[in-house]
Amino acid sequence: DQQVKQNSPSLSVQEGRISILNCDYTNSMFDYFLWYKKYPAEGPTFLISISSIKDKNEDGRFTVFLNKSAKHLSLHIVPSQPGDSAVYFCAARPTWSRGNTPLVFGKGTRLSVIA
Amino acid sequence: GAVVSQHPSWVICKSGTSVKIECRSLDFQATTMFWYRQFPKQSLMLMATSNEGSKATYEQGVEKDKFLINHASLTLSTLTVTSAHPEDSSFYICSADRGANEKLFFGSGTQLSVL
Repeated sequence: DQQVKQNSPSLSVQEGRISILNCDYTNSMFDYFLWYKKYPAEGPTFLISISSIKDKNEDGRFTVFLNKSAKHLSLHIVPSQPGDSAVYFCAARPTWSRGNTPLVFGKGTRLSVIA
Repeated sequence: GAVVSQHPSWVICKSGTSVKIECRSLDFQATTMFWYRQFPKQSLMLMATSNEGSKATYEQGVEKDKFLINHASLTLSTLTVTSAHPEDSSFYICSADRGANEKLFFGSGTQLSVL
């Protein structure tokens, strides 16, 4: 049973517009959430994270929103750039207070930013 | 920033041979490292948790005798795919944890192709 779900396998957005990538989770023990960006044949690179005590975290063009009651988070990229084209993985962790807990990943969403 | 180095980047081997993949944390000590596997267009699936100085913890369905993990120091974990078969062909990624409330750092991945 998938605990982290990214229901949109792909998304196309025009350059300069906003990209919104969605993620849902089922495990109420998750309280630390991360977004990673991945290019083919490369390891994931960290983008942004949020802990459950917050509902928003912003870093430059990237903002992550967390709705705990809905068990939903989203990543907003604005303005979108062609270099943002990649697969984006949502990941969650059972607790953020321990360092030995693995991440659970969603299946990813392939973002294509069209110039 | 923290760097995780993974080698080799890609390897082609004959069926029945063994392949060793190394994962090193370059500028921090990692008591815990994680090994993930990704099939084409699939999510990152956790294979095992590698703990320095103790036996690895394998996820359900992962054969511990086939995927040997050694975490002999705080900066090095190795994954050995023993008696590799074509179905073991996949993208293997390691990650290292720097501690509490930290994001996970990933290696660049190893593409294994078994002929």
